[in-house]
Amino acid sequence: DVKVTQSSRYLVKRTGEKVFLECVQDMDHENMFWYRQDPGLGLRLIYFSYDVKMKEKGDIPEGYSVSREKKERFSLILESASTNQTSMYLCASSDKDSLNTEAFFGQGTRLTVV
Amino acid sequence: GNSVTQMEGPVTLSEEAFLTINCTYTATGYPSLFWYVQYPGEGLQLLLKATKADDKGSNKGFEATYRKETTSFHLEKGSVQVSDSAVYFCAPYILTGGGNKLTFGTGTQLKVEL
Repeated sequence: DVKVTQSSRYLVKRTGEKVFLECVQDMDHENMFWYRQDPGLGLRLIYFSYDVKMKEKGDIPEGYSVSREKKERFSLILESASTNQTSMYLCASSDKDSLNTEAFFGQGTRLTVV
Repeated sequence: GNSVTQMEGPVTLSEEAFLTINCTYTATGYPSLFWYVQYPGEGLQLLLKATKADDKGSNKGFEATYRKETTSFHLEKGSVQVSDSAVYFCAPYILTGGGNKLTFGTGTQLKVEL
């Protein structure tokens, strides 16, 4: 079975903390993505990466950064967590681009910033 | 830019009712079109896809037809079950080279009752 694994299902962090969300995929995929999911807003793309050490801003990158030092791992970093970053975070990966490319998702990390 | 519009939910149906969830998109070029489903407490998974005009994607009794002339990809099922209760996301996907964003609609929640 193909797998995208997020390091935590639930996290509670304090305002101002530096937060790391980790994602690992075992499918040797080129592309990896970080989304946040909020009620009424659907999935919004934060950052994506199409190769090791490459990153591209998505639609809402402010307040976030990412790291991709190895092909299988894509980390999302909240430099100084704020309450408006309380959300469900979803990681996804997909193979080298083709018209049939399917994205595979992790189970999500529900982050609460207090 | 690319965007997608889905009908708002929640949609509440009785078991065995007919389902339609509308999806229209705007895109430069000719995207592949996907429907993803998110069951409670899980990440997203691919439901069906179509990669060119007039193609019909189908899976688990769900169908959607790629309509280039109306830029639509409506999801249908003839007889829904309680187990179909989930959130459904429409997602056009375009190859642009050098990293491709996978954009999602806001999602439509479906509740099926006995």
